[in-house]
Amino acid sequence: AQRVTQPEKLLSVFKGAPVELKCNYSYSGSPELFWYVQYSRQRLQLLLRHISRESIKGFTADLNKGETSFHLKKPFAQEEDSAMYYCALRPYGQNFVFGPGTRLSVLP
Amino acid sequence: DVKVTQSSRYLVKRTGEKVFLECVQDMDHENMFWYRQDPGLGLRLIYFSYDVKMKEKGDIPEGYSVSREKKERFSLILESASTNQTSMYLCASVPEDLSGLGIQYFGAGTRLSVL
Repeated sequence: AQRVTQPEKLLSVFKGAPVELKCNYSYSGSPELFWYVQYSRQRLQLLLRHISRESIKGFTADLNKGETSFHLKKPFAQEEDSAMYYCALRPYGQNFVFGPGTRLSVLP
Repeated sequence: DVKVTQSSRYLVKRTGEKVFLECVQDMDHENMFWYRQDPGLGLRLIYFSYDVKMKEKGDIPEGYSVSREKKERFSLILESASTNQTSMYLCASVPEDLSGLGIQYFGAGTRLSVL
């Protein structure tokens, strides 16, 4: 069965430090992977998707098929990055599978 | 700008009550979803619908049902609410062609407490 794991429930970093939110998936096919973010008192929204190879708000994520990972990275964290982050997998022709989420706290 | 509106932000119900959670989207999307969001478990799919009057069970449909009488509205029904259904409920809508962009547009959520 398809599965997404995010090993850290909570990640705390200081402002200006690099941040990496880990995501691993299990899926035998070619995956579509996404990162969703939920800021305090806001709705869940798409942050980025691997197919676009884009950088949003300074975040990037690279798909590593060998390690079945899609870690989210940012070189210099900002306080406004504090939020709940969900990694999601969409197997071909199927519905999304979400990870349990990682709460990022950026300390001043 | 896509808008997905959930009728209530907070609901408090008693065990055994019938509960309706409403979701309306204004972008003519074919596909709509209901999730529950629990700490440490992420989002779990309850039901989804790809068209009017069409519904499919997700991963955790027990204790829930849905209704899609109009394209823009997708209702989640708890026939007899129980305390283990206390949760945050999220509605999402997706444009037609699930093999496309894959962007889910979420509502603000309904936090349901069952006492």
